[in-house]
Amino acid sequence: AQKVTQAQTEISVVEKEDVTLDCVYETRDTTYYLFWYKQPPSGELVFLIRRNSFDEQNEISGRYSWNFQKSTSSFNFTITASQVVDSAVYFCALMNSNSGYALNFGKGTSLLVTP
Amino acid sequence: NAGVTQTPKFQVLKTGQSMTLQCAQDMNHNSMYWYRQDPGMGLRLIYYSASEGTTDKGEVPNGYNVSRLNKREFSLRLESAAPSQTSVYFCASSEVGGRQPQHFGDGTRLSIL
Repeated sequence: AQKVTQAQTEISVVEKEDVTLDCVYETRDTTYYLFWYKQPPSGELVFLIRRNSFDEQNEISGRYSWNFQKSTSSFNFTITASQVVDSAVYFCALMNSNSGYALNFGKGTSLLVTP
Repeated sequence: NAGVTQTPKFQVLKTGQSMTLQCAQDMNHNSMYWYRQDPGMGLRLIYYSASEGTTDKGEVPNGYNVSRLNKREFSLRLESAAPSQTSVYFCASSEVGGRQPQHFGDGTRLSIL
């Protein structure tokens, strides 16, 4: 069975703080893909990153960074020096090869960044 | 470049009414998906179409039907709407094999009274 767990339902930080969003996944596949999407208050889903199971190299994109650890089945997302515009719901997702490569989403983490 | 277009954006129905949610993509993607998003539940897969001419059930298919009209279009039909189907519906598309990210439409907010 495939499952994605985002244990943090809501996080509130003050602007310029660093924040890490946790994602733990379960899968029996040896090849799989993990994703992070952002959903701002306007409601659309914005793709942030894709990681395949063979690439454990961490990635940094501006203020965003991702830490993928197969040993702990985790794919955590860190925002450095958070900004008000980072306020959104963030979803971690696991691609399911048994369902036409549809996404299994976690329940999301709502991030609120206050001035 | 429109990407994935969903219509309508908002709809209010009465219990028992039927309606079809439309989705079209202009990226020549083979695979298309319908998800629903409920508060605190994330997005859940309703139906998917791995390629033109095929459709399959996802996690929550009850009460819905789909049609892959052609490569571009994938519609979702509620035959007899129920209040439990009040949700935000997202359509998505991607290349075959899942190596590329899914592209999502802006969603349809559906309320059933």
